[in-house]
Amino acid sequence: DIQLTQSPSFLSASVGDRVTITCRASQDISTYLGWYQQKPGKAPNLLIYAASTLQNGVPSRFSGSGSGTEFTLTISSLRPEDFASYYCQQLLNYPRTFGQGTKVEI
Amino acid sequence: QVQLQESGPGLVKPSETLSLTCTVSGASIRNSFWAWIRQAPGKRLEWIGYVYDTGTTYYNPSLRSRVAMSLDTSKDQFSLQLRSVTAADTAVYFCARDNAYILYWGQGTLVTVSS
Repeated sequence: DIQLTQSPSFLSASVGDRVTITCRASQDISTYLGWYQQKPGKAPNLLIYAASTLQNGVPSRFSGSGSGTEFTLTISSLRPEDFASYYCQQLLNYPRTFGQGTKVEI
Repeated sequence: QVQLQESGPGLVKPSETLSLTCTVSGASIRNSFWAWIRQAPGKRLEWIGYVYDTGTTYYNPSLRSRVAMSLDTSKDQFSLQLRSVTAADTAVYFCARDNAYILYWGQGTLVTVSS
């Protein structure tokens, strides 16, 4: 299985901060990576696909970059509604795998 | 708008079989991959497997010996069975349309394994 490791696991930030989350893959996954946001008690919501493409309806303050084994999700200016957990997912191989998550909290 | 809704018991005894059904509305169950994903308390999302409209399945090797998925095109439903459950199978179970990146998820249903 392809292992995904996110850093940090927890991130304390303030409204207006620029936030960067990293996802590292155990092998080259090209750009077969997505990012999801999950709020407590809810299903995940797709933010970014193909490593850097913004899903329709997602605010432009979210961006993704990277290829191969290292990827980043950036929130340019944190808003109150962005306090949540974020997960990366690889789609190169089955079984699909997810990172362990990054919780962004105040 | 595609909507998915999980249903099934919220409490299962150890060693018994967990059975969940996902009802799809707003889209045909045909020509799509339908997946189950779970999340144990405080843990990462775990992809369990998919079933395609032909009945083709793929299961996560970590669960393959205990999992079965099926679908019923006449009812626009697909199902998950997980045998011989233990406390480690306690999780929120999500159904999803998994044609690649997952846009459509059910709300999730908590299944607790306890006697």
